[in-house]
Amino acid sequence: GDSVTQMEGPVTLSEEAFLTINCTYTATGYPSLFWYVQYPGEGLQLLLKATKADDKGSNKGFEATYRKETTSFHLEKGSVQVSDSAVYFCALGVTSYDKVIFGPGTSLSVIP
Amino acid sequence: DAGVTQSPTHLIKTRGQQVTLRCSPKSGHDTVSWYQQALGQGPQFIFQYYEEEERQRGNFPDRFSGHQFPNYSSELNVNALLLGDSALYLCASSGGRTGGTGELFFGEGSRLTVL
Repeated sequence: GDSVTQMEGPVTLSEEAFLTINCTYTATGYPSLFWYVQYPGEGLQLLLKATKADDKGSNKGFEATYRKETTSFHLEKGSVQVSDSAVYFCALGVTSYDKVIFGPGTSLSVIP
Repeated sequence: DAGVTQSPTHLIKTRGQQVTLRCSPKSGHDTVSWYQQALGQGPQFIFQYYEEEERQRGNFPDRFSGHQFPNYSSELNVNALLLGDSALYLCASSGGRTGGTGELFFGEGSRLTVL
């Protein structure tokens, strides 16, 4: 069945460091791919998305590219801030029914 | 524009009891999905309601059931509670202009503790 794997955390970085969180997926058909973020004490929210191969999603300085050949959707940010501390979830969407399958999440802590 | 609202925010039950959680979707959305998020894990899909019918279901036992009302709000019911049912239950809505894109809007969840 459809599934998502992402790098285990927790990840701790210093402010202004480069961030990569790896994500790979298994899916039948052509899913949409997402990164959702859960800030402390808040609900899950969409960070960025890509709907087809080679699309690049971006938001708040974060980027991820839909790589069909490697079935990957790695999240990157060039310079993290303390406010980026959160749990990041890679997810795939079965778009015909808005069913979204989530990875296990990666906790990120950014220290000053 | 109100987002997704869930109630109650926290509740404590004992094994064998039953619980009902409630969700109001974002204005303009007609589809409600329920997820279970155990501590330190990703959300697991329970089921999805559309047009007052269960459209899809994840790998959860029949103890988990739901309902959608004509105003698109939804309830999640869990019978015969087990300790392992302790989790954050998330409601997500979709539809409207973002329907069919896979983009979900989440509530802040209902934290269930089973003793």
